[in-house]
Amino acid sequence: AQRVTQPEKLLSVFKGAPVELKCNYSYSGSPELFWYVQYSRQRLQLLLRHISRESIKGFTADLNKGETSFHLKKPFAQEEDSAMYYCALRPSNFGNEKLTFGTGTRLTIIP
Amino acid sequence: DVKVTQSSRYLVKRTGEKVFLECVQDMDHENMFWYRQDPGLGLRLIYFSYDVKMKEKGDIPEGYSVSREKKERFSLILESASTNQTSMYLCASSLSYSNQPQHFGDGTRLSIL
Repeated sequence: AQRVTQPEKLLSVFKGAPVELKCNYSYSGSPELFWYVQYSRQRLQLLLRHISRESIKGFTADLNKGETSFHLKKPFAQEEDSAMYYCALRPSNFGNEKLTFGTGTRLTIIP
Repeated sequence: DVKVTQSSRYLVKRTGEKVFLECVQDMDHENMFWYRQDPGLGLRLIYFSYDVKMKEKGDIPEGYSVSREKKERFSLILESASTNQTSMYLCASSLSYSNQPQHFGDGTRLSIL
């Protein structure tokens, strides 16, 4: 069975400083990895996914199969980045739409 | 834009009651999901459905059941509510076989007294 680990429950970073939210996974195949974000009083929404190799709101995440990690990074934190962040994994086998989520990291940007 | 609508934002029920949480999506998605969200535990999958009248257990199905009579609607049922089912419940939907993400509703905060 797959597992997603987010080791930090809480992370506080000063505005303008770099941000890194850690995500490690265990899965025997080639997974699809996602980052979801939930801003205060808003619904959970997709931030980015590894298959797209995109940068959203200045965030990037690289899938490192050797280290089984998918850390989320941003070079300069902004106050509006304060939110709850979840890493999620979807198995690669065809037709399996289930997502396994990590326990989440609450990011607080200090002005 | 995908719209996933959960019928109630807040709900208060008593122990032993039968509770229904409703979810409707408007984008003809095949897949629908029910999660509960608890601090420190993240999102845990309760049940999901690949199609009308199809359902599969997730990671924590005990004490819950679901119903999907129409493609757009997925109901979560607490057969006999207990205090440990006090939580935030999230519904989501997605397309099949398309690498598309799941789209979430606003959530229902359920309190069982």
